[in-house]
Amino acid sequence: EVVLTQSPATLSLSPGERATLSCRASQSVRTYLDWFQQKPGQAPRLLIHDATTRAAGIPARFSGSGSGTDFTLTISGLEPEDFAVYYCQQRGNWPPITFGPGTKVEIK
Amino acid sequence: QVQLEESGPGLVKPSETLSLTCSVSTDSMGTMSSYWGWIRQPLGKQPEWIGSFHSSGNTYYNPSLKSRVTVSADMSKNRFSLKLTSVTAADTALYFCTKRDSASWFDSWGRGILVTVSS
Repeated sequence: EVVLTQSPATLSLSPGERATLSCRASQSVRTYLDWFQQKPGQAPRLLIHDATTRAAGIPARFSGSGSGTDFTLTISGLEPEDFAVYYCQQRGNWPPITFGPGTKVEIK
Repeated sequence: QVQLEESGPGLVKPSETLSLTCSVSTDSMGTMSSYWGWIRQPLGKQPEWIGSFHSSGNTYYNPSLKSRVTVSADMSKNRFSLKLTSVTAADTALYFCTKRDSASWFDSWGRGILVTVSS
């Protein structure tokens, strides 16, 4: 099973600041790595698929990079609606498909 | 993008079977090369993939749940189901039904249904 590790667990930032979230896989998942945003009581919302491609309707301030075992999600300037929990998820070696433990982006 | 909606009991007794259904807003379920599946999320924790049914007829399960899980589909009725046997309190979670195309990402999620295991 591929284990995903996300860091930091919590990121305290102010609106307008840049957020950099990390996801590391225990083995290579090539570029089969997706990023989700989740708010309380809602289903996860796809932001980035295949490590670098923004999903339909996702603002350009969200970008993804990486391949193999190291991945990054960057939010170039935080908007008030961006404060949420972010999960990475891999489908490069499955079953099982696995999710990381999440990074909470909170208002400083 | 199809719409998915979960239904089923919100309360299940320990040792019994959890049964959920996902209704799909398309008449093309049988012709789509897609994985129809389930993900659950305990409160405050990360999502956990449970398993999927592929339109080819193959099923795929999380090894940690494989002995207790069945995912099946009724393409003619545009719905698919989850059965989880011998439930315990650890199975209490928000359950989502999902769709992803072959070699692709999760592009559709239901809103989720909270299932509590308690006597």
